[in-house]
Amino acid sequence: SAVISQKPSRDICQRGTSLTIQCQVDSQVTMMFWYRQQPGQSLTLIATANQGSEATYESGFVIDKFPISRPNLTFSTLTVSNMSPEDSSIYLCSAKGGETYNEQFFGPGTRLTVL
Amino acid sequence: GENVEQHPSTLSVQEGDSAVIKCTYSDSASNYFPWYKQELGKRPQLIIDIRSNVGEKKDQRIAVTLNKTAKHFSLHITETQPEDSAVYFCAASPRTGANNLFFGTGTRLTVIP
Repeated sequence: SAVISQKPSRDICQRGTSLTIQCQVDSQVTMMFWYRQQPGQSLTLIATANQGSEATYESGFVIDKFPISRPNLTFSTLTVSNMSPEDSSIYLCSAKGGETYNEQFFGPGTRLTVL
Repeated sequence: GENVEQHPSTLSVQEGDSAVIKCTYSDSASNYFPWYKQELGKRPQLIIDIRSNVGEKKDQRIAVTLNKTAKHFSLHITETQPEDSAVYFCAASPRTGANNLFFGTGTRLTVIP
C-alpha cells in the first residue's frame, strides 16, 4: 500500500489567515483527494486533485476558499484560505491508483484549530 | 450523487460475540465498497473491500456481504476482541467520474472485555 505523509500534523491559526497543507505519497498514484473530517463525524470529500489541471470540487466547496495544487503524481497541497473558526477540522489527504488500483489510502491528517 | 447510509451509529458487544454493521447506497452504478476502521486520533485504515461482481468476501474474522439488488452491504466481525473497538466507516464508489468514495456516517463499536 502507498504510504502517505502530511505536513503539518496540526496547527493553531488566527482568524483571517491561510494555511497550506502538504501531502506526499511514496509512490506514483493516479488519483489524489482531500477530505475534511469534523470531530466525531464522517469524512466529507472536498475535491479531487488533478495533476496539471484545476481540481474538481464537490458541492459546497470552492476554489477561492480551498485552492489545491498537484504538480506531479506524488504531491499535492490544500490551502485553507481566510480561515474562520468553522474551518477547524481534520483535513485528510488520500490517494489511489498505485499498485493496488482501486484501494484508497489516507494520510494521517492535519488537525487545524482556528481561533 | 451517491448517498450512503450506515446503521447502527453505536454498537456495544461482549468480547467473543459477533458484530454486524449495515450500509445502504443509492447509486446503482456503484461497484466498489470498502470498509475502513478508524481508531481514535488515527487515520482511516482499509480493512476489507468488495466489488460488485462478488457477493461475499472473508478475511479471517472479518467478512463483507453485498446485495446488489437491494443495494446494501454489511460488515461482519466474529469473535470480537477489545482491539476491534473503533469507528467503522463503509463507503461506496460510483463507476463514473473520478471513482471517489462516498462515506457512511460511521459506527462506533465498543467491545466489552
